[in-house]
Amino acid sequence: AQRVTQPEKLLSVFKGAPVELKCNYSYSGSPELFWYVQYSRQRLQLLLRHISRESIKGFTADLNKGETSFHLKKPFAQEEDSAMYYCALRGWGKLQFGAGTQVVVTP
Amino acid sequence: EADIYQTPRYLVIGTGKKITLECSQTMGHDKMYWYQQDPGMELHLIHYSYGVNSTEKGDLSSESTVSRIRTEHFPLTLESARPSHTSQYLCASSAYRGQATEAFFGQGTRLTVV
Repeated sequence: AQRVTQPEKLLSVFKGAPVELKCNYSYSGSPELFWYVQYSRQRLQLLLRHISRESIKGFTADLNKGETSFHLKKPFAQEEDSAMYYCALRGWGKLQFGAGTQVVVTP
Repeated sequence: EADIYQTPRYLVIGTGKKITLECSQTMGHDKMYWYQQDPGMELHLIHYSYGVNSTEKGDLSSESTVSRIRTEHFPLTLESARPSHTSQYLCASSAYRGQATEAFFGQGTRLTVV
């Protein structure tokens, strides 16, 4: 069975500090992994996907198959990064989400 | 404009009523999904579809049913609404493009059963 785990429900950081959101997964095949973000009063939207190896809004995420992790990182948090972040895994036709991490960036 | 639409945005309805939440997409996607989400909480997959005449149950048991008669339309029906069905329902769609698959979400329907 596939599973996505986000151990932190809430992450509070100061502006300019680094932020790391943890995501671990279990899946028997080759997973497709994503980070989605939901800003206040906006739709859930894609932030980045592991296949692209891209940096979006300063965020990066590296797939570590050995540790089955896909942690999201940003070296310098900004106030506009305050949002709900979801790690997601696509496998066997299903798109499954973790429980989400609420990020609050304070000035 | 290619998008995914959910109606209504908000619905307050009495116990025992039959309701249908509408979801339509103009993106030409084959795959569609329904999620249930309480505010600020986890998204639970309740139904998904690979294409026309294909529907599957998700991870969270739900008393709702879905149909997929047309590619662009994926309505969700509750035959008899109960207060426990109060939640936000999110519809999403995706297509397979090479190795890049991305889901697009609607605005959601916030359902309150009184």
